Amino acid sequence: ILNVEQSPQSLHVQEGDSTNFTCSFPSSNFYALHWYRWETAKSPEALFVMTLNGDEKKKGRISATLNTKEGYSYLYIKGSQPEDSATYLCAFRDDKIIFGKGTRLHILP
Amino acid sequence: EAGVVQSPRYKIIEKKQPVAFWCNPISGHNTLYWYRQNLGQGPELLIRYENEEAVDDSQLPKDRFSAERLKGVDSTLKIQPAELGDSAVYLCASSSRDRITYEQYFGPGTRLTVT
Repeated sequence: ILNVEQSPQSLHVQEGDSTNFTCSFPSSNFYALHWYRWETAKSPEALFVMTLNGDEKKKGRISATLNTKEGYSYLYIKGSQPEDSATYLCAFRDDKIIFGKGTRLHILP
Repeated sequence: EAGVVQSPRYKIIEKKQPVAFWCNPISGHNTLYWYRQNLGQGPELLIRYENEEAVDDSQLPKDRFSAERLKGVDSTLKIQPAELGDSAVYLCASSSRDRITYEQYFGPGTRLTVT
């Protein structure tokens, strides 16, 4: 059984501070790693799709890195804003799609 | 462009009753996914369609769950009879083709409560 682990499970960050969290996945048979943001009562929104070891992707204040050899990806948020409050999900893909449980981010005003 | 549409958004039923969820994917997306998300867990894939063919239904509890995607467009997921443990959010997603890097676009989900 493949395990995709996300940590921490929950995170409270002061507005303006930067933060990061982790997605760990099996390092064999890697095809792609997806990051999603899921705000309450909305649809999960795709943030990044990462395929190559050493990939770095950026969208505004959010960026992500990928290490397929050791099986982890980091998501970084710079200068957190209230609208960043959401659950951040990663999904590992080989011939299956396995989601982590997510990191719940709460931005404190 | 309209996103993935799901209905209903919320459903409350008594156990042993049947229930059905409907999904209309983004126009032109040939791959459609149904996920179940239990409280505190990540989404779990139930079934994946390529056009009208179910190519991965290994996680679908076939004794009570069924799905169809007639004509390769919209899809329904049915539970009959529902059990208390079926309470969850049921998400539908679509992608333009099931290639590894293609992003999935999700609907808002149906929150099912079985009492």
